[in-house]
Amino acid sequence: GDSVTQMEGPVTLSEEAFLTINCTYTATGYPSLFWYVQYPGEGLQLLLKATKADDKGSNKGFEATYRKETTSFHLEKGSVQVSDSAVYFCALRTGANNLFFGTGTRLTVIP
Amino acid sequence: DAGVIQSPRHEVTEMGQEVTLRCKPISGHDYLFWYRQTMMRGLELLIYFNNNVPIDDSGMPEDRFSAKMPNASFSTLKIQPSEPRDSAVYFCASSFFGASNNGYTFGSGTRLTVV
Repeated sequence: GDSVTQMEGPVTLSEEAFLTINCTYTATGYPSLFWYVQYPGEGLQLLLKATKADDKGSNKGFEATYRKETTSFHLEKGSVQVSDSAVYFCALRTGANNLFFGTGTRLTVIP
Repeated sequence: DAGVIQSPRHEVTEMGQEVTLRCKPISGHDYLFWYRQTMMRGLELLIYFNNNVPIDDSGMPEDRFSAKMPNASFSTLKIQPSEPRDSAVYFCASSFFGASNNGYTFGSGTRLTVV
């Protein structure tokens, strides 16, 4: 079945460090891929998405590239800020109406 | 659009009491989802509706849980009787089945504490 595996956290970085959160997927068909972010006390917000192979999603300095050959959708940011501290969820959606979420990765950025 | 609106934001209740969580999806969205989030299990899909009809309730943990969607702008998730292990954050999300490249829009959640 369809599933998403993302790196376990927590991840702690200093401000301005480079961030990578790994995400790999298993899917039949051609999924769309998403990264969601959850700030403390809030619901999940869509951060970025990619709908086909080699697409790059980007938003707020975050990027992720849909790599079909490695079935991956790693999240990256060149210079993190304290305000990026949150939980990040990788997710996929195929034609069926269900988003499959990863377990989430908690990021803490320290000044 | 105000987004997906959930109420209440916080609910504290005693074991055995009935709890009702409410959700107003985004206008025009034809799918509505109820999720539960806990530290132990992460995000779990409980049930989802399409055009107000329940499609898959296999995630509902037991008969104490029930969900309804009487119209396109309102849904409820009810727990009766509530138990301490039901303590979690419950999220409602909605989506438009235009294409699978649409994500979901989540509400801010209801934090339920059963004591």
